[in-house]
Amino acid sequence: NAGVTQTPKFQVLKTGQSMTLQCAQDMNHNSMYWYRQDPGMGLRLIYYSASEGTTDKGEVPNGYNVSRLNKREFSLRLESAAPSQTSVYFCASSEGPYTIQETQYFGPGTRLLVL
Amino acid sequence: KNEVEQSPQNLTAQEGEFITINCSYSVGISALHWLQQHPGGGIVSLFMLSSGKKKHGRLIATINIQEKHSSLHITASHPRDSAVYICAVSDRSRLTFGEGTQLTVNP
Repeated sequence: NAGVTQTPKFQVLKTGQSMTLQCAQDMNHNSMYWYRQDPGMGLRLIYYSASEGTTDKGEVPNGYNVSRLNKREFSLRLESAAPSQTSVYFCASSEGPYTIQETQYFGPGTRLLVL
Repeated sequence: KNEVEQSPQNLTAQEGEFITINCSYSVGISALHWLQQHPGGGIVSLFMLSSGKKKHGRLIATINIQEKHSSLHITASHPRDSAVYICAVSDRSRLTFGEGTQLTVNP
């Protein structure tokens, strides 16, 4: 099992460009999450999907959209990238349906640089 | 003040030493998580606990709900334990992460 996979691993964008970060899990998990990690701050939740067909905003959703394509895949889209979105993005999944007390399994991360 | 505070921020130890990383939180929680972030960036969940103590190999996690404090101990530390250790707390609706403790274990 690959667990949680993310693509791409690294991306450079210019301000205003758009891109989609892809995430997939092969653990048959119901719940999936997108986080960002910035220096001097803890991981912060951007969006989550408690179960297939649902998505909800997290702590820092502005500037992002998500799609729960199917049970396996959860994508994060930046419609018009800004330098403030330079960060490392982590996708995670848990067995769910969403319960905050579950262990989450993380992907390897995507490093995004917005110039 | 952050809701989750970890100390120390950085810790350097010699191989074989007993290590303690602390986590204090200021909110009511339903569970506390310890995670490990490898030098390459990958994050792995180590423990989830809501009371008492859990042990896995050389790692021990304890929590004191009344004092709102948790500790992660590593016995007989090894250079491969070098990583960032992250504390996170969950209430009914969200998971709040600490900034992490960077641990370096020298041979």
